[in-house]
This record gives sequence, C-alpha cells and structure tokens, in this order.
Amino acid sequence: DGGITQSPKYLFRKEGQNVTLSCEQNLNHDAMYWYRQDPGQGLRLIYYSQIVNDFQKGDIAEGYSVSREKKESFPLTVTSAQKNPTAFYLCASSISAGGNYNEQFFGPGTRLTVL
Amino acid sequence: GQQVMQIPQYQHVQEGEDFTTYCNSSTTLSNIQWYKQRPGGHPVFLIQLVKSGEVKKQKRLTFQFGEAKKNSSLHITATQTTDVGTYFCAGPSNTGKLIFGQGTTLQVKP
Repeated sequence: DGGITQSPKYLFRKEGQNVTLSCEQNLNHDAMYWYRQDPGQGLRLIYYSQIVNDFQKGDIAEGYSVSREKKESFPLTVTSAQKNPTAFYLCASSISAGGNYNEQFFGPGTRLTVL
Repeated sequence: GQQVMQIPQYQHVQEGEDFTTYCNSSTTLSNIQWYKQRPGGHPVFLIQLVKSGEVKKQKRLTFQFGEAKKNSSLHITATQTTDVGTYFCAGPSNTGKLIFGQGTTLQVKP
C-alpha cells in the first residue's frame, strides 16, 4: 500500500521532555511538510523539505527541529523550548514543492498531549 | 506576506440545503487546491484548478477559479450528512510551500 504513515497516533509526554514524531512515505515524493493544527484552527506550517538533506523553516518553526537524511523519512522533534506543544501534528508530501499539480498527501496525524 | 482567506468560518445547514465557501488570495495564484478534512481525520485532496475562470464538478460539488486567479469557491448542492467536515483552499507561494486558508467547517443537520 502506498502512502504516508505517522506514528504513533496518540502520544503523551511530560513537560520538559523532547519528543520525536515519525513520518514515512513510500510515494517517492521529493517534498515533505510538517503542519500543526490546533482545535478549530487551520494548518500552520512548521518545516518543509524540498529535497533530501535540505529543509526550510515554515511559519512557526520555533521550538521544533527536523532532519531529512532519507527521501522517505522526515521526523519532527518537538523540543522543550516549544511553549504550547499540545496539538495535532500532520505530515504531508508532494511530488515536488513548486509548480502545478503539486497536491499534498497527508498522513493520519499524531495527537500530542504534553502533561 | 501572502495570505489566503476563507469565509465563512462555520456553516450549519439543514440536510438538502446548498452550501458555499469562498476563498480569496492577496496575490494572483498559479493554481488553487481544495482539501476536505473529516472530523478526527486528516486533509484529503479534492481538486486543483489552474485556468482562469475554470469550473470543475465532482458529483454535487462545483469548484470555480476566478477570472483574476485570486479567488475561488466551492459549492455543494443538496448537502448530505457525509459532507460534514472542514474544507480548506490552498494556493502555492513563490517559495514552494502551500498557503492554506483557515477552512470552513460545515455541519449538516439531518
């Protein structure tokens, strides 16, 4: 089955701990993205990567870090510096980042709760 | 910076009524995309419009792209309970990322 997987679906962490969210895709897409969604809110871009070994900050990158060592993987670390980390985190990918017909495919998301 | 605005934020309709959500961009777009997110789910791509004035239909859903390529609309005819969810429009920025609107959440009363 082709697609994007995120794990785990639900994650609980204590305040002050770093946590890494997994995102894997087998669609052979070059571009990958991380979004944060809060209840009743839209999608806010955290980081995106247009190619392996390269990534750019999105609109709310503070307190987060990413890596893109492999084409199929784009893990997101929520650090203790993120002041309000409890949210729904969505990973997405697209064939490329620019041009037309660059629709994004989303994973099922990870709901992070920091206690 | 570039912004994409959607209205209304929420809409409650009786099953069978029509529904429309509007999307406006601060800049001209090369294309506009629409996504649907069911409650508790993740956004799913619905359609992309590329040409000025383009109209596309998917069963009861009609998508339009404005002549100036700065606005778009999604119209649902005779809503059903399966239409419940949040509808997002999104347009590409010149840096390769998509700018999403805030979304319109549709509730359908049976």
